[in-house]
Amino acid sequence: NAGVTQTPKFQVLKTGQSMTLQCAQDMNHNSMYWYRQDPGMGLRLIYYSASEGTTDKGEVPNGYNVSRLNKREFSLRLESAAPSQTSVYFCASKFGQGSSGANVLTFGAGSRLTVL
Amino acid sequence: QKEVEQNSGPLSVPEGAIASLNCTYSDRGSQSFFWYRQYSGKSPELIMSIYSNGDKEDGRFTAQLNKASQYVSLLIRDSQPSDSATYLCAVILSTYNNDMRFGAGTRLTVKP
Repeated sequence: NAGVTQTPKFQVLKTGQSMTLQCAQDMNHNSMYWYRQDPGMGLRLIYYSASEGTTDKGEVPNGYNVSRLNKREFSLRLESAAPSQTSVYFCASKFGQGSSGANVLTFGAGSRLTVL
Repeated sequence: QKEVEQNSGPLSVPEGAIASLNCTYSDRGSQSFFWYRQYSGKSPELIMSIYSNGDKEDGRFTAQLNKASQYVSLLIRDSQPSDSATYLCAVILSTYNNDMRFGAGTRLTVKP
């Protein structure tokens, strides 16, 4: 059982280049998330997808686009990378809602992105 | 104002002591609260979830929730060096049931 798989684990880009971070989960989860983590700032929500076919902005969506390709996959695209997007990116997923284990996030291993 | 606020620390306690971690949130309608632990260079992992006012205990960990004060805390009893990590408070916002926000995290060091 792989859980949440992110690719690539490391990437170096030049300013203005584009790239896509891939995320896939095999737990039949409905909701998927992209967070970025910078020193001293915790996890900041970029975008999330509550269910297949829907996406919503989080607190820091500017400069990013997402695609919920199917129930398993949720990708994050940087169209024109900027040094301010240097960060560690985490994909996460959860089953659903309610006061239960359905709300627990499972995280991928993270993707470290450097923009020069 | 951020939706979730934590003291960034660092917090240092001796082995065997009680570590107390605090979190406040701004969305009065929030109903679901979580504590995650993150070791350096690793992904966050769930420690506790809490949904009702009061205390919830799981082994050496106790989560406390006070919705009137919009306050969540985590107590770690008999702290061990292996508890040294960053602890992240997370809250699901009431506006959208799937919008989960995190605090900046508190770095805890347990000294032998």
